[in-house]
Amino acid sequence: EAGVAQSPRYKIIEKRQSVAFWCNPISGHATLYWYQQILGQGPKLLIQFQNNGVVDDSQLPKDRFSAERLKGVDSTLKIQPAKLEDSAVYLCASSLDRGGIYEQYFGPGTRLTVT
Amino acid sequence: GEDVEQSLFLSVREGDSSVINCTYTDSSSTYLYWYKQEPGAGLQLLTYIFSNMDMKQDQRLTVLLNKKDKHLSLRIADTQTGDSAIYFCAESPGGGYNKLIFGAGTRLAVHP
Repeated sequence: EAGVAQSPRYKIIEKRQSVAFWCNPISGHATLYWYQQILGQGPKLLIQFQNNGVVDDSQLPKDRFSAERLKGVDSTLKIQPAKLEDSAVYLCASSLDRGGIYEQYFGPGTRLTVT
Repeated sequence: GEDVEQSLFLSVREGDSSVINCTYTDSSSTYLYWYKQEPGAGLQLLTYIFSNMDMKQDQRLTVLLNKKDKHLSLRIADTQTGDSAIYFCAESPGGGYNKLIFGAGTRLAVHP
């Protein structure tokens, strides 16, 4: 089966600009996650969708970050305006409920550099 | 609170066993996971263990769980150069949302 697709793979922007990332999860996976991975750290969950509804966005900086998952499939994550500290890899993951075990499958990520 | 701690670096000789350790804080975590990340790639699920188990073996991988001490370890037998990567421990806290809390990762370097 095809994996989680993300684009672009790399993006360089100046601070105060805006940027958007796209994710296409594995077909049939109801749950979609966006993580931020700062260099040298583990991924941190930004937002989690169940179908097209948000179930956890407690760590999403809502003054500048937004995400949507229209029709419960693809998702976009937007940053506006970007700050230097937003430089990170943004990982998308999707999962399927296998009797209470949610194995998360990760995409390759988008590396964002804010200058 | 939710926190996962790992040592940052481990160096082993090819053919030896590697042991990567992790401590977590949320005693309600139902599953605990090990992920592998190679350079420029996303995370790959290696294995997981249910919280009522104390050991799980999967080919060269052995996971040990000490729930009393909230300590998790991953042993890789016969470590190969292809095992060089960053290994992340993650807990899945209770609450029904199945989010993962990751440690900072342990970089495993395998040398001849």
